[in-house]
Amino acid sequence: QQQVRQSSQSLTVWEGETAILNCSYENSAFDYFPWYQQFPGEGPALLIAIRSVSDKKEDGRFTIFFNKREKNLSLHIKDSQPGDSATYFCAASGNTGNYKYVFGAGTRLKVIA
Amino acid sequence: NSKVIQTPRYLVKGQGQKAKMRCIPEKGHPVVFWYQQNKNNEFKFLINFQNQEVLQQIDMTEKRFSAECPSNSPCSLEIQSSEAGDSALYLCASSLSGWSNQAPLFGEGTRLSVL
Repeated sequence: QQQVRQSSQSLTVWEGETAILNCSYENSAFDYFPWYQQFPGEGPALLIAIRSVSDKKEDGRFTIFFNKREKNLSLHIKDSQPGDSATYFCAASGNTGNYKYVFGAGTRLKVIA
Repeated sequence: NSKVIQTPRYLVKGQGQKAKMRCIPEKGHPVVFWYQQNKNNEFKFLINFQNQEVLQQIDMTEKRFSAECPSNSPCSLEIQSSEAGDSALYLCASSLSGWSNQAPLFGEGTRLSVL
């Protein structure tokens, strides 16, 4: 059972375009959604996170749009750069007391110059 | 630069051997997680701690996995008798709070290869 689903395994965009990475979830108890960026051979790095009380969170070129009713969210990367080429993971957690995070399978982004 | 320190970065073991990896969480972070990331990039939650207490762990029915986070010492994850299927990236993460207001920060991981 996949509680957090990332719809695209891979995505290719041109430099300067906006990359849109989608994520959906099943558990209504999830209320916090971080996104991580991972380069080959490295650990995941926290990029940006949103709580379910918000519908948008922006940090520089990265924006999360959140739709609680539809149980989905998306990460927008504006003005994509070749250095953004990495795998992006959507994660989710809820106040269930055990603080466990559930991860999606990741979307591999390739930005072509 | 990650402030969660994992050692060693690479670990090579033969089947049946013990494999032990360590993690120093970011200073002041009481919550520690261990995840296994397989070659398909899938994350498998293993265990988490708050201070030295286990919060949740998977059903380690094979009892081959054990973990601890003693005070004033690095956290550790040990596989008693390694199997080929244990080959993966083992990720340690820590956070300031278990509540949904701070995402865990990950270390670079320990890549285990079981030959």
